Amino acid sequence: AQSVTQLGSHVSVSEGALVLLRCNYSSSVPPYLFWYVQYPNQGLQLLLKYTSAATLVKGINGFEAEFKKSETSFHLTKPSAHMSDAAEYFCAVRGFNTDKLIFGTGTRLQVFP
Amino acid sequence: KAGVTQTPRYLIKTRGQQVTLSCSPISGHRSVSWYQQTPGQGLQFLFEYFSETQRNKGNFPGRFSGRQFSNSRSEMNVSTLELGDSALYLCASSLVLAGGTGELFFGEGSRLTVL
Repeated sequence: AQSVTQLGSHVSVSEGALVLLRCNYSSSVPPYLFWYVQYPNQGLQLLLKYTSAATLVKGINGFEAEFKKSETSFHLTKPSAHMSDAAEYFCAVRGFNTDKLIFGTGTRLQVFP
Repeated sequence: KAGVTQTPRYLIKTRGQQVTLSCSPISGHRSVSWYQQTPGQGLQFLFEYFSETQRNKGNFPGRFSGRQFSNSRSEMNVSTLELGDSALYLCASSLVLAGGTGELFFGEGSRLTVL
């Protein structure tokens, strides 16, 4: 069965600091992996997705993630945090022939001035 | 291009009542899926529809049901509401269903409060 684990329910960084949000997946086959962001009282917005085309994936708003099969990880990073990055971030995995996403528990990112 | 539209955005019901939530996908999208978001359980998959057929169903009781119409619009229904059904219900649509990397576009959700 597929699953994802997000380490750290809360992450706090200073504005301008590196953002690192961790996600580890469990899948018996190469997965499709996603990172979504959710702002208060809103739905989910796709940040980036891994589709096996490239291990380093660049997304919107300066975010990127690297797929590491050896570590079963898909961590999300951003070199310099901005106040507007404060939100909740979800890692998700999807199988084949389905739109069913399995989400991690989420990481709330706080950015301090 | 209009996004995924969910109605109503907010609603309050009492235990034992039923509720129907509506989702209009992005024009041209034929796949619709539903998710429940609660503080305790996080984001959980409810069901997905493609061309009016339910393709997958999550681990929810039979009180939760859904359907998709020929115009791809979808509704979900929860009968005999319980306090634990209070949640944000999110709908997502995508252009393709099969296997691929098609992006799911989410609506802003319907926030249900059960008193």
